[in-house]
Amino acid sequence: DVKVTQSSRYLVKRTGEKVFLECVQDMDHENMFWYRQDPGLGLRLIYFSYDVKMKEKGDIPEGYSVSREKKERFSLILESASTNQTSMYLCASSLSASAPEAFFGQGTRLTVV
Amino acid sequence: DAKTTQPTSMDCAEGRAANLPCNHSTISGNEYVYWYRQIHSQGPQYIIHGLKNNETNEMASLIITEDRKSSTLILPHATLRDTAVYYCIVRSGNTPLVFGKGTRLSVIA
Repeated sequence: DVKVTQSSRYLVKRTGEKVFLECVQDMDHENMFWYRQDPGLGLRLIYFSYDVKMKEKGDIPEGYSVSREKKERFSLILESASTNQTSMYLCASSLSASAPEAFFGQGTRLTVV
Repeated sequence: DAKTTQPTSMDCAEGRAANLPCNHSTISGNEYVYWYRQIHSQGPQYIIHGLKNNETNEMASLIITEDRKSSTLILPHATLRDTAVYYCIVRSGNTPLVFGKGTRLSVIA
């Protein structure tokens, strides 16, 4: 089975801190994605990557950056965390750009205080 | 703008078929219909997808109308574990998944 692992299930950080959310997949997938999920707003795409060292902005990239130095790892970075970034963050991967199935991690619930 | 329209919520009796509708009247010729679901406290899970023919797998069936403007996901014998939010997504081959609000399905014993 494909496994997408997010480094933390719950995280509490202070306003202004630099925050790293890590995601690792074990099936040699080309594509990786970061979403955030908020009540009433559903899942929204932050950033995605179709290959190592490549990144594309999603619908809500402001306040975030990403890093993909290795194929299996996709990091989401909050340069200076703010309270409006309190959310559930979900990482996903898929085999290729046209692959029908994306696999999601369990999510990281980030609280910024 | 949302590409799909789904009811906000639905109930289904355990053991009965759950039929979840989705309208996608602006679908393009190269766009597929995907269904995912999200069980509470978990990430979304792929269910099924199709272009224009009906599709069936071990989880569900997907019925797409001939004009492709709507579809129905069918869970043939719903169980309590099928309680989840179900997302209907229209997507062309190489674009990321864009999720709407989905339908919250409650399976009732």
